This record gives sequence, structure tokens and C-alpha cells, in this order.
Amino acid sequence: QQQVKQSPQSLIVQKGGISIINCAYENTAFDYFPWYQQFPGKGPALLIAIRPDVSEKKEGRFTISFNKSAKQFSLHIMDSQPGDSATYFCAACRYSSASKIIFGSGTRLSIRP
Amino acid sequence: DGGITQSPKYLFRKEGQNVTLSCEQNLNHDAMYWYRQDPGQGLRLIYYSQIVNDFQKGDIAEGYSVSREKKESFPLTVTSAQKNPTAFYLCASSSSPVSSYEQYFGPGTRLTVT
Repeated sequence: QQQVKQSPQSLIVQKGGISIINCAYENTAFDYFPWYQQFPGKGPALLIAIRPDVSEKKEGRFTISFNKSAKQFSLHIMDSQPGDSATYFCAACRYSSASKIIFGSGTRLSIRP
Repeated sequence: DGGITQSPKYLFRKEGQNVTLSCEQNLNHDAMYWYRQDPGQGLRLIYYSQIVNDFQKGDIAEGYSVSREKKESFPLTVTSAQKNPTAFYLCASSSSPVSSYEQYFGPGTRLTVT
């Protein structure tokens, strides 16, 4: 009920290509879905987030697509750059609650020049 | 420069010893969190604190202890009871427990126990 399933575990994309990471959740009480970016040896940093009242949110080259009926959401990175190489975590939580964020298992993204 | 400081970056201990990881924030955030990160896994919550002198167990609190005597500080002790303590430990904070999704993370401490 509390899991967030993330795929793929690792991803290699050519420079300029589109990187796509998918996540699925089970608990319909979740109403906030952030994505975190983590570089090696660093802590994660909030990248972009979405609430289920919208189907898509775009910030620069990063877009979250959200499918409430399927309980799935995905991150698209357009025109992927070597500097985007990092581990990406999707997550889910209840916006109005002090309860914890549930993280996916992470996707290690490598962008080949 | 506002942020979260974790020290040390690398820590080595012998099995059976307790070890305390430091976490300090100068963001004036009310809530603080400790996570554990293992290879190929997401972050798992160990403990969190919404206010000074109060804290709650997360999913994997066994073998760990915390204190929150000051707003800025939330140290984590890894006790000898923790069966598999070698991991990357991340401290985070948020401005309020209600907006806990906006968590700011420190750089982490990599603990190796042999």
C-alpha cells in the first residue's frame, strides 16, 4: 500500500535524446508527487513536483506526466545533457500531512556525449 | 550561506561500537529527518522530528537513536544493536511538518562498520 515502484533501475541515453523514468503508486491517499535528483556523493535535491489535479507539469527541459486513474507518473527529460547524469528518485506523500515521503528505488541515468 | 551540514563525510567504526552522526541546519526549519540509503534502494526514513524535544520513529528505527535538544541540531546515534549499519546516511529538514515534501538534504555521511 505504501510502495512507490520505479523503473528502470538504470538508463543510458544519447545526448540530445529523451530520458523517461516511470513510477507507480498504490495508496490513493497520496496527493503530492515530487522528483529528486541526486549526484554522486551528494544529498538529493528537489527537482520538480506535481499534484494530481493536473496531468502535466513542465519546468524547462523537465516534464512530469501524471495519470491518476492508472496511478502512474513519469519524468521526461528533453534534450538530455551529460550534466543530467545522476540518480533520480520519484516519491509520493500526503501534501497536508506530517507523515513521511515514500521514495522509489531510484534510476541511475547516464547521458552519453 | 544557509544549508544543512553533516559531519563527517566518511566515518569508519569497528563492530560493537556506537557512533553518532552530526546534522546541523541554519535554515530555521522546524522539522528534521534522518534517512538511510543503500545501493539500489530508495531512501528509508529512520527518525523524524517536528519540533524541539519531540521525535518519532520512521520505518527502520531499530538500532538507532536520536535527540532534538536544539532546533538546529538533530544527531543520530547508530548503536551496536543495528545489525547492518554500513550505509549512506542523509539528514534533511523542512520548513514545517505540513510541507514535509519540500525537504532539503545535507551532503550525507558514509558510515562503514567492519
